[in-house]
Amino acid sequence: DIQMTQSPSSLSASVGDRVTITCRASQSISSYLNWYQQKPGKAPKLLIHAASSLQSGVPSRFSGRGSGTDFTLTISNLQPEDFATYYCQQSYSTLITFGQGTRLEIK
Amino acid sequence: EVQLVESGGGLVQPGGSLRLSCAASGFTFSSYEMNWVRQAPGKGLEWVSYISSSGSTIYYADSVKGRFTISRDNAKNSLYLQMNSLRAEDTAVYYCARVYRYGEGVDGFDIWGQGTMVTVSS
Repeated sequence: DIQMTQSPSSLSASVGDRVTITCRASQSISSYLNWYQQKPGKAPKLLIHAASSLQSGVPSRFSGRGSGTDFTLTISNLQPEDFATYYCQQSYSTLITFGQGTRLEIK
Repeated sequence: EVQLVESGGGLVQPGGSLRLSCAASGFTFSSYEMNWVRQAPGKGLEWVSYISSSGSTIYYADSVKGRFTISRDNAKNSLYLQMNSLRAEDTAVYYCARVYRYGEGVDGFDIWGQGTMVTVSS
């Protein structure tokens, strides 16, 4: 199976900050990488597909980069509603795997 | 409104069985591939199983292979997960999720249900 490793596991930031979350795959997955946001008690929400394509309706302060094994999710100008847990997910393999998650907390 | 609604969760003893359902509405269910994803309390997301739009292609995570069975009834706009030989470590919220294909092999889980809780305990 392809292992997905996110860093950091948790992150504290303030409204207006810019933060970056990293996701590393155990083998090359080209650009088959998605990012999800999950708030407590809610289902995950797809933010970015194909490493860098913003899902319809997602604010432009979210951006993704990367290919191969290394990927990043950047949130610029953090808003109160952005404090949540973020997951990367690879869709390169038929056996889908998620990263362990990054919890973004208010400082 | 495009919607997925799970049901069938509950408390079951170790070794028992449970069948989850996911009712789809607001879109042509028969055209979409579907997945089950679970989340243990306080833990991350774990993919469980995939089924193609016709039901002819199915995949499972190693952790559930041989115990869980995914199926669908396109006439009823419904997805199912039959769970047998349940273990304490199967305790989780179970979500159904729609696959959206963007082209060139790219896809993502664009619609999720609200989840149904399964608790395996004596």
